[in-house]
Amino acid sequence: ETGVTQTPRHLVMGMTNKKSLKCEQHLGHNAMYWYKQSAKKPLELMFVYSLEERVENNSVPSRFSPECPNSSHLFLHLHTLQPEDSALYLCASSPAEVEGTIYFGEGSWLTVV
Amino acid sequence: GENVEQHPSTLSVQEGDSAVIKCTYSDSASNYFPWYKQELGKRPQLIIDIRSNVGEKKDQRIAVTLNKTAKHFSLHITETQPEDSAVYFCAASIRTGFQKLVFGTGTRLLVSP
Repeated sequence: ETGVTQTPRHLVMGMTNKKSLKCEQHLGHNAMYWYKQSAKKPLELMFVYSLEERVENNSVPSRFSPECPNSSHLFLHLHTLQPEDSALYLCASSPAEVEGTIYFGEGSWLTVV
Repeated sequence: GENVEQHPSTLSVQEGDSAVIKCTYSDSASNYFPWYKQELGKRPQLIIDIRSNVGEKKDQRIAVTLNKTAKHFSLHITETQPEDSAVYFCAASIRTGFQKLVFGTGTRLLVSP
């Protein structure tokens, strides 16, 4: 299944680096999401874009900055991260207008050193 | 906001046995309850879902039940197989034009041959 594609799959960055995670969906959906998955914690919703407008921002630190240039692409810009930000970052998409299922990408494993 | 609790955190069964995972939710306005399966190193994938106007749904060896009064829902897997071994997540959502899923903490199911 290649409906939601994330790059890079693995990323190691220093605390002073700036990097970006990229997500692309080929399902014709118009809602896109960033989730964070840490060990022994539930999947945490970070951001939601519906019809290219940010509709949810769950008290995420400003060192995470999302960008949604169109309904098929979603970015998560990272800067001055902390070691506790190391996690699996999952992108997902769903139809916005009708009841539909969220489909996840394979995730980007982020390690902050 | 919504809070979802999931039990047990780990579950070990013998091949052929049944497995039951239980979740409770707090917001009576939640109306959509999906279950995701996540194999090691893979993305979460939807295996079954149920909406609040239905009490039970079955798909081959998998079934989900919903008790709106008690605000709990359960996943039932019959005739378990080793390939059912994975982490299972329940979630609850209020449909608002996009899916705002709140996930449980996950259940690690191990099916021994």
